[in-house]
Amino acid sequence: EVQLVESGGGLVKPGGSLRLSCAASGFTFSSYSMNWVRQAPGKGLEWVSSISSSSSYIYYADSVKGRFTISRDNAKNSLYLQMNSLRAEDTAVYYCARESRLGVVPAAMYDAFDIWGQGTMVTVSS
Amino acid sequence: EIVMTQSPATLSVSPGERATLSCRASQSVSSNLAWYQQKPGQAPRLLIYGASTRATGIPARFSGSGSGTEFTLTISSLQSEDFAVYYCQQYNNWPLYTFGQGTKLEIK
Repeated sequence: EVQLVESGGGLVKPGGSLRLSCAASGFTFSSYSMNWVRQAPGKGLEWVSSISSSSSYIYYADSVKGRFTISRDNAKNSLYLQMNSLRAEDTAVYYCARESRLGVVPAAMYDAFDIWGQGTMVTVSS
Repeated sequence: EIVMTQSPATLSVSPGERATLSCRASQSVSSNLAWYQQKPGQAPRLLIYGASTRATGIPARFSGSGSGTEFTLTISSLQSEDFAVYYCQQYNNWPLYTFGQGTKLEIK
């Protein structure tokens, strides 16, 4: 079964740090770009960060740039998000999501997040 | 940054009826648009990619249309399990993916 399982969430004080993990199974993890997406309580989805299959390309939303670091270990089928200098506005459920290139014909291939984990809650509060 | 605007914020529809959800991009995203469904306490699920192609296992009552800046998700005959929040997402401005704010589809 294709699966993503996040862990590492919890309660942390403002200015603190936390490291999230996402364990992948059921597919060739090293072949896919991966993403972190978050959702504040009662709010919509916000893309946070992306990492290519070989870690060659890494991108961040402006809201987390300089504070969060995405990484992966293909040998361990794992994705990580190191979160430093946490703020109250970082409080959210954090999802990892697989990015796939989908379509039938080469001329019409599209990217989408086709597999999501169940999420892990991060609460930043004093 | 491309801003995605969904309307309406809440849509009340009776089971068996048709639901039409809209998503507008602040600039053209071609057909690089996806739709996701999210039920309470669950992760989002991919419904549509490439603006109009159903993802694996998605029932035929879900259909997507549009290109450029205007997109529509149509659910032809609502089932009880379809009441959820729906998000559109653009990936034309890769890798700065952006989501719409969501449309809550509720039972009338």
